[in-house]
Amino acid sequence: EVQLAESGGGLVQPGGSLRLSCAASGFTFSAYEMTWVRQAPGKGLEWIAYIGGSSGSGIYYADSVQGRFTITRDDAHNSLFLQMQSLRADDTAIYYCARYTGTFSPPYYYYMDVWGKGTTVAVSS
Amino acid sequence: DIQMTQSPSSLSASVGDRVTITCRASRTIWNSLNWYQHKPGKAPRLLIYGASSVQTGVPSRFSGSGSGTDFTLTISGLQPEDFAIYYCQQTFNLPSLSFGGGTRVEI
Repeated sequence: EVQLAESGGGLVQPGGSLRLSCAASGFTFSAYEMTWVRQAPGKGLEWIAYIGGSSGSGIYYADSVQGRFTITRDDAHNSLFLQMQSLRADDTAIYYCARYTGTFSPPYYYYMDVWGKGTTVAVSS
Repeated sequence: DIQMTQSPSSLSASVGDRVTITCRASRTIWNSLNWYQHKPGKAPRLLIYGASSVQTGVPSRFSGSGSGTDFTLTISGLQPEDFAIYYCQQTFNLPSLSFGGGTRVEI
């Protein structure tokens, strides 16, 4: 079964750091682009980071996390990571990892087809 | 960046109703538009990609239409399990994979 499972969430003080992990199973992880999406309390989904396949060719961030968060992957261990630094109260959210893929023939459409259940990050003193 | 605007932000409906949710992009995204369903405590679920292609396993009562800047998600014959929040997302502009603000479908 194709699955993603996030871990590493918790309570952290403002200015602190946290590293989230996403374990992939049931598919060839290295062949897929991956993303992180979050949902703050009472808010909608927000895409925050993208990493290409083939050991991370192409990395992009939302403006809200640029310079503070780092997305990486370990294809040998089928894992995706999100290193979060300089955390703020507005980073409080459920963080989801999602597989980013697309159609294999034209027209080419891209989408997030597999999602984890999320891990909760709370930033508070 | 491309901004995605959904309407309405919430709606009340009954089982069996036909429900329509709209999504507008701030500039053309051709057909690079996806729809997701999200229930509290669950993983978001892909419903529609490429504006109108139904993801494998999604019931046929879900359909999508539109192109350019204006898109629609239709649920024909609302079922109890369809009460959720629905999001559109553009994947035309990769450096930003922006979502709409969401539409809550409730009883």
